[in-house]
Amino acid sequence: RKEVEQDPGPFNVPEGATVAFNCTYSNSASQSFFWYRQDCRKEPKLLMSVYSSGNEDGRFTAQLNRASQYISLLIRDSKLSDSATYLCVAWGHFGNEKLTFGTGTRLTIIP
Amino acid sequence: DAGVIQSPRHEVTEMGQEVTLRCKPISGHDYLFWYRQTMMRGLELLIYFNNNVPIDDSGMPEDRFSAKMPNASFSTLKIQPSEPRDSAVYFCATGTSAIPQQFFGPGTRLTVL
Repeated sequence: RKEVEQDPGPFNVPEGATVAFNCTYSNSASQSFFWYRQDCRKEPKLLMSVYSSGNEDGRFTAQLNRASQYISLLIRDSKLSDSATYLCVAWGHFGNEKLTFGTGTRLTIIP
Repeated sequence: DAGVIQSPRHEVTEMGQEVTLRCKPISGHDYLFWYRQTMMRGLELLIYFNNNVPIDDSGMPEDRFSAKMPNASFSTLKIQPSEPRDSAVYFCATGTSAIPQQFFGPGTRLTVL
């Protein structure tokens, strides 16, 4: 079983719609979580951190459920520019600086 | 400030040849990570360094792969001899001990024929 699992998609969503991605992680010792975004043929870039209380950044909302070991990302009013692959990422603890990446969920926003 | 710099950006080589990938980290970052990305396996961590010292190389696929970090501003990943199954995008990423965020370079797209 992979440490971080995501639905690979693809998700094809009309512009303006709301889309949600889910991710599960297996290591209960994971301390922090992130969503990275990767555009086609580009490097991954940090989209946002994920906090237990939930956090928003504009149209993006991230949520963490430690009891279920579950992370989500919600994108509201989707734009064409949101088309990308979204990577769910778990981080262990200081002294072990590895990030564990999910395989990513591919999103295409359709005009 | 320049981001992570990788070279070459593209490499096409023949099976059996030696390949050397290079990375210049962001100044002041004390962690450096080498990843490999393929469609089938996603993003895999190969090895990472802290203050130029290799900490975890458990992701290095086999002895054909080696990585060095001779100083704080340079690292190499070498494949010798290369095989077609090594074809992938290789990313270098760096970070600091203060926060877990990693900053990725643009990657080297390697094709082994």
